[in-house]
Amino acid sequence: DIVMTQSPDSLAVSLGERATINCKSSQSVLYTANSKNHLAWYQQKPGQSPKLLIYWASTRESGVPDRFSGSGSGTDFTLTISSLQAEDAAVYYCHQYYDSWTFGQGTKLEIK
Amino acid sequence: QVQLQESGPGLVKPSETLSLTCSVSGGSISSYYWSWIRQPPGKGLEWIGYIYYSRSTKYNPSLKSRVTMSIDSSKNQLSLKLTSVTAADTAVYYCARHHYDILTGQINWFDPWGQGTLVTVSS
Repeated sequence: DIVMTQSPDSLAVSLGERATINCKSSQSVLYTANSKNHLAWYQQKPGQSPKLLIYWASTRESGVPDRFSGSGSGTDFTLTISSLQAEDAAVYYCHQYYDSWTFGQGTKLEIK
Repeated sequence: QVQLQESGPGLVKPSETLSLTCSVSGGSISSYYWSWIRQPPGKGLEWIGYIYYSRSTKYNPSLKSRVTMSIDSSKNQLSLKLTSVTAADTAVYYCARHHYDILTGQINWFDPWGQGTLVTVSS
């Protein structure tokens, strides 16, 4: 299995500031045949199911605010929220779909 | 738009079988891959397995011996059975649809998800 490791486990950021969450995979999730990273990001708020934010490591899902962006390639990826809003408080998960389907352990983002 | 709704008993006794249904509305169950994913309280997400409308399946090796998935196209429903449950199987169980690239055959991320249903294993 590909193990996904997120850092940090939790962070507190002030409103309007930048939040950065990292995700590292135990092996590359870059599929050479299509030159795409098989990596997605989800947001989960309490009592809700995960919501897709980003796929192919950097493609924003329709309707997701442009303050959310994804970057990285191979084994190292980042989710950035450029200007934190109150409604962004949630747990964020990275997810690889290169080989079977596994998730990071989650990063809890709180408002400072 | 497609909506998914899980249903089933919220309490199952140890050693018994957990049975859940996922009802799909707003779209056909055909031509898509559908997965079950679970999340123990306060913990992360674990993929359980998928089923295709043609009834082909793939299960997480860690659960394979206990999992059976089925599909009822006439009712637009998926089903999950997990046998010999223990307290470790206590979780919120979600059904979700895969993004499927029919040209490449790649089975990708999950979207949308159902709201999830909590199943507690306890005597």
